[in-house]
Amino acid sequence: AQSVAQPEDQVNVAEGNPLTVKCTYSVSGNPYLFWYVQYPNRGLQFLLKYITGDNLVKGSYGFEAEFNKSQTSFHLKKPSALVSDSALYFCAVRDRGSSGSARQLTFGSGTQLTVLP
Amino acid sequence: NAGVTQTPKFRVLKTGQSMTLLCAQDMNHEYMYWYRQDPGMGLRLIHYSVGEGTTAKGEVPDGYNVSRLKKQNFLLGLESAAPSQTSVYFCASTGGQGIGTDTQYFGPGTRLTVL
Repeated sequence: AQSVAQPEDQVNVAEGNPLTVKCTYSVSGNPYLFWYVQYPNRGLQFLLKYITGDNLVKGSYGFEAEFNKSQTSFHLKKPSALVSDSALYFCAVRDRGSSGSARQLTFGSGTQLTVLP
Repeated sequence: NAGVTQTPKFRVLKTGQSMTLLCAQDMNHEYMYWYRQDPGMGLRLIHYSVGEGTTAKGEVPDGYNVSRLKKQNFLLGLESAAPSQTSVYFCASTGGQGIGTDTQYFGPGTRLTVL
């Protein structure tokens, strides 16, 4: 079974400060990991993903995430937060070796990021 | 290229009524999914399809049915709506044959209220 935990329901950060949104995962094999962002009354937008290779993944809008296999984490980061980054962020995982071909993702419960001006 | 579209955007039903939500994608994706989003619970998979003519149950399938008669369309039906089905429903699709083609692309959502 695969699972994802986002331990913080809410993260507040001042504009211009670095931000981190935490994610830990559990899979039986090796993971594919994803971050999505959801703005109010919108669908989820893809930010970035880790498939293999370099542990530091760069994505859209200046976001990046670091895959840490020993800590089973995939925290989302940005060096300097913008007010426009305020949104709901979801981490998702798929076990690379999962049986079948359904490519199902398991999502975390989401973290509401608020960037204060 | 519209990506993933959903109709309707909003709907209010009375308990016991039925309705169908339509998802359409123009990316020639094989895989399509229906999720529901409830506060504090993230996204939960209702049903999915790995190709035209195929469907399978996800995590929370009870009370829902689906059909994938055409590759580009994935329909979600509620035969007898209940207040517990008040939620925001998202459709997603993904495709491709290579490693790393798992990115799911989402529609804008349907907000359903069952009174």
